[in-house]
Amino acid sequence: AQSVTQLGSHVSVSEGALVLLRCNYSSSVPPYLFWYVQYPNQGLQLLLKYTSAATLVKGINGFEAEFKKSETSFHLTKPSAHMSDAAEYFCAVSGADNYGQNFVFGPGTRLSVLP
Amino acid sequence: NAGVTQTPKFQVLKTGQSMTLQCAQDMNHEYMSWYRQDPGMGLRLIHYSVGAGITDQGEVPNGYNVSRSTTEDFPLRLLSAAPSQTSVYFCASSPGPLETQYFGPGTRLLVL
Repeated sequence: AQSVTQLGSHVSVSEGALVLLRCNYSSSVPPYLFWYVQYPNQGLQLLLKYTSAATLVKGINGFEAEFKKSETSFHLTKPSAHMSDAAEYFCAVSGADNYGQNFVFGPGTRLSVLP
Repeated sequence: NAGVTQTPKFQVLKTGQSMTLQCAQDMNHEYMSWYRQDPGMGLRLIHYSVGAGITDQGEVPNGYNVSRSTTEDFPLRLLSAAPSQTSVYFCASSPGPLETQYFGPGTRLLVL
């Protein structure tokens, strides 16, 4: 069975500081990994995804994530936080079972950006 | 191009009532899914469909029914609402397996 853990339900950073949101997964099959962002009262939007090509994945809004198989991690980073980055971030894993629809989401990390 | 739309945005039900949450997409996606979002638990898959006439259960299907008669629509039915079904419900669509999912704005449901 697949699972996702996100360390830290709430992370606060100062504007301009490094953003690091942690995601660890477990999967019995080669995983597809995703980061989604949710702004208040909105649905989820894709930030980036890993599909077994390059291990360093670049996404929208300056975010990137690195797939590390040995650590079963897919941490999300951004060099310099903006106020507009304040949102909830979800890591998700999926495999090839159930028609590729077995998406498992982590519990989410709420990012606050302080002025 | 509206993407994924959901109605209603907010609904209050009494225990035992039934209702249908509507979901439609105009991207001609074959795959559609329903999730519920509860605090501290992320999103959990309720039901999904890989094409018209084909549906299957996700992680938390009890108390919910779905059908898929057209590519565009994927309604979620609550047969007899319970307070445990108080949640935010999201519909999502994708063009195929393991592809990016596009989410609707959500329906906030309160069951008293």
